[in-house]
Amino acid sequence: NAGVTQTPKFRVLKTGQSMTLLCAQDMNHEYMYWYRQDPGMGLRLIHYSVGEGTTAKGEVPDGYNVSRLKKQNFLLGLESAAPSQTSVYFCASSYPPTSGRARPTGELFFGEGSRLTVL
Amino acid sequence: AQTVTQSQPEMSVQEAETVTLSCTYDTSESDYYLFWYKQPPSRQMILVIRQEAYKQQNATENRFSVNFQKAAKSFSLKISDSQLGDAAMYFCAYCPNFGNEKLTFGTGTRLTIIP
Repeated sequence: NAGVTQTPKFRVLKTGQSMTLLCAQDMNHEYMYWYRQDPGMGLRLIHYSVGEGTTAKGEVPDGYNVSRLKKQNFLLGLESAAPSQTSVYFCASSYPPTSGRARPTGELFFGEGSRLTVL
Repeated sequence: AQTVTQSQPEMSVQEAETVTLSCTYDTSESDYYLFWYKQPPSRQMILVIRQEAYKQQNATENRFSVNFQKAAKSFSLKISDSQLGDAAMYFCAYCPNFGNEKLTFGTGTRLTIIP
């Protein structure tokens, strides 16, 4: 059972180059998220999706785009990489409340992270 | 906007001893969830414990327990009988009961276990 898989795990880019990070989950989760982790700043939400074909901005969306064409995949794109985007990127997924009074579980299932360096 | 503050960037504890990690948060909501996540050197994020704000009883999971003080907006994690495998970054996180499960994380506390 793979869970949440991110590719690539490591990447070095030059300023201005573009790239796409792929997140795939095999748990049939509805919700997917992209976070970035920087020293001393914890994890900050970039974009998220509450279902196939939907995306929304998080706390730090500038310079990133996302797409959720298939339920199991959530892509994070950098159109023109900048050194400020050097970070470790985490994808996560979760499932909505099943029935009755809506209460989130809050348990996110994370990938192993992708370290991106922009020179 | 909600904020989560972890004022201890680093902590250390002797193996088998008890340590408490602090977390405070700011919200105007009355219904929400709080979490502690662990990130070992492997980078994998793992849920340690969850607290529902409407429950007065503090959550416990084996050696891990929380002290939830809703009025003070405080949520500390106590690790009893510390083990070498507990060495990690610990993140406190907040989630409002809005259904989209957007978590806000604190900046983390790096816990070192001294053999």
